[in-house]
Amino acid sequence: EDKVVQSPLSLVVHEGDTVTLNCSYEVTNFRSLLWYKQEKKAPTFLFMLTSSGIEKKSGRLSSILDKKELSSILNITATQTGDSAIYLCAVLYGMRFGAGTRLTVKP
Amino acid sequence: EAQVTQNPRYLITVTGKKLTVTCSQNMNHEYMSWYRQDPGLGLRQIYYSMNVEVTDKGDVPEGYKVSRKEKRNFPLILESPSPNQTSLYFCASRGTGVTEAFFGQGTRLTVV
Repeated sequence: EDKVVQSPLSLVVHEGDTVTLNCSYEVTNFRSLLWYKQEKKAPTFLFMLTSSGIEKKSGRLSSILDKKELSSILNITATQTGDSAIYLCAVLYGMRFGAGTRLTVKP
Repeated sequence: EAQVTQNPRYLITVTGKKLTVTCSQNMNHEYMSWYRQDPGLGLRQIYYSMNVEVTDKGDVPEGYKVSRKEKRNFPLILESPSPNQTSLYFCASRGTGVTEAFFGQGTRLTVV
């Protein structure tokens, strides 16, 4: 059965810390992996990763895919309170999501 | 503006009273899907559709129906809602190939 597993499920840090969120997958028809951020409403798109080893970067956020290890990480450096959210990863083809990581950044 | 529109945003209903949550997208996307989100469980797929008249079950289809008569619309039907269907529901759409998905704003459903 296809599955996507995220860890940790919950994380509390202080402003300025660096965090690493993990996503591992076992799916039969992998095409790409996506990261989303969800605050109080609909998820918003962060990154799509298709090729192994190529880092995607946007400001303080970056992500990389390891197809050999069937996993991806999302890094957030110099965290801010506005980074507090649920971070979701999903795998195409079929848009299967993990349970999400709830990140809380304290002042 | 490219968007996915869900209605209603909030709904409180009683057990057994049939309801429909509508979803419409204006991006000519082939792929549409419905998810429910419960605390600690992420987004679980209910049904998806690869194109008009093509639908398939996701991970949690029991108690739900869908139809895809037109490309832009993908309604979610609860024939006889029960309290365990109280949840936050999202509709999503994307194009063919490897593309990001766009989400509706969500429908918070409470069944009493």
